[in-house]
Amino acid sequence: DTGVSQNPRHKITKRGQNVTFRCDPISEHNRLYWYRQTLGQGPEFLTYFQNEAQLEKSRLLSDRFSAERPKGSFSTLEIQRTEQGDSAMYLCASSSPITQGTEAFFGQGTRLTVV
Amino acid sequence: AQKITQTQPGMFVQEKEAVTLDCTYDTSDQSYGLFWYKQPSSGEMIFLIYQGSYDEQNATEGRYSLNFQKARKSANLVISASQLGDSAMYFCAMRADSSYKLIFGSGTRLLVRP
Repeated sequence: DTGVSQNPRHKITKRGQNVTFRCDPISEHNRLYWYRQTLGQGPEFLTYFQNEAQLEKSRLLSDRFSAERPKGSFSTLEIQRTEQGDSAMYLCASSSPITQGTEAFFGQGTRLTVV
Repeated sequence: AQKITQTQPGMFVQEKEAVTLDCTYDTSDQSYGLFWYKQPSSGEMIFLIYQGSYDEQNATEGRYSLNFQKARKSANLVISASQLGDSAMYFCAMRADSSYKLIFGSGTRLLVRP
């Protein structure tokens, strides 16, 4: 499968615990994005990587959130001291900068439930 | 600031009929792109169609076409010959050419009736 891969698909955690999600982008894509989608809403931008450099972080990304992309390949998104408000679908996407208008390809997401 | 508005929370369509999903947008950028994505219950966002702001012709991709009216700032998605598998959430999104992030609307849930 050459699409964007996200693991785990589902995560249930107790409030206060730390969680980490992984995203493997399409191999030739150097741009990687994280979005968050709450129930009944469209995805909201969280952060953007070009290769290994994190070029933008949304104000939605509080200090409890950290994302990395070592070596410009896979990316991880960690949430520390989870809160019930963190419950959402976390979507990863990747794209190529080669042509203008190139769409972002999304993974199937990680659904986080904080209890 | 950019904004996408989808005013139809839910839509029904009979199988084999055409349906139009509405999308209006607001931006001060001169050069931008408009996208439609489909999200089935599995959660994955599936790219459907793209329209550049300077494209003079409406985009088409198989059964999908984008009715682009720049002056009215609308980018409606038309699905022809609806199929049961078209039942899903549909999101309109835009991205300024100077940016890399997509701004999404709140989506429209489409249900295709047999």
